[in-house]
Amino acid sequence: NAGVTQTPKFQVLKTGQSMTLQCAQDMNHNSMYWYRQDPGMGLRLIYYSASEGTTDKGEVPNGYNVSRLNKREFSLRLESAAPSQTSVYFCASSDGRRGNTIYFGEGSWLTVV
Amino acid sequence: KQEVTQIPAALSVPEGENLVLNCSFTDSAIYNLQWFRQDPGKGLTSLLLIQSSQREQTSGRLNASLDKSSGRSTLYIAASQPGDSATYLCGLYQGSSNTGKLIFGQGTTLQVKP
Repeated sequence: NAGVTQTPKFQVLKTGQSMTLQCAQDMNHNSMYWYRQDPGMGLRLIYYSASEGTTDKGEVPNGYNVSRLNKREFSLRLESAAPSQTSVYFCASSDGRRGNTIYFGEGSWLTVV
Repeated sequence: KQEVTQIPAALSVPEGENLVLNCSFTDSAIYNLQWFRQDPGKGLTSLLLIQSSQREQTSGRLNASLDKSSGRSTLYIAASQPGDSATYLCGLYQGSSNTGKLIFGQGTTLQVKP
């Protein structure tokens, strides 16, 4: 009954360091998403993957890269972390059809100092 | 560009009260709308999804309505309980392809006092 699993849950980085947020889903969903949530800004889409082997930019992609490793896994990489990337990151998945429910992970709290 | 607004940003009510949360959007050409609940330190949990062809959906004490022509959705919570305290977000599906990308309002934080 895992759903969408994200790791790590908490991370502190120094400016300029790199890291990868991992996400896996066990619902055989086609589509996966990375959002960030900031106070006063709401949830904003960073990248999404409509299906295995495809990725596309969302609203705020700068400073991030993604990899859809297989159908289950979708990772988000910060190549050179900046304080502006301090945020809560959420991975989500759905079967891809607009009418169907999207499922979220528990979030990853990232602080860049 | 689609913009989603939720008013009020915060709401405090006594237990047992019926309440309405609002979600407005600027582009009426939406496909579907979904209401979510977020507890502190947690992810989002889907509450109700309204298809573009529907006007409302109900689940237990929750009722969500959709009026595309006026660019508005409401979430009605009947007989509120302290356990309903959370942040409620609405999300709209956008895009012309068969992929589901949601854009969100900033949420309404609800506190139900015993």
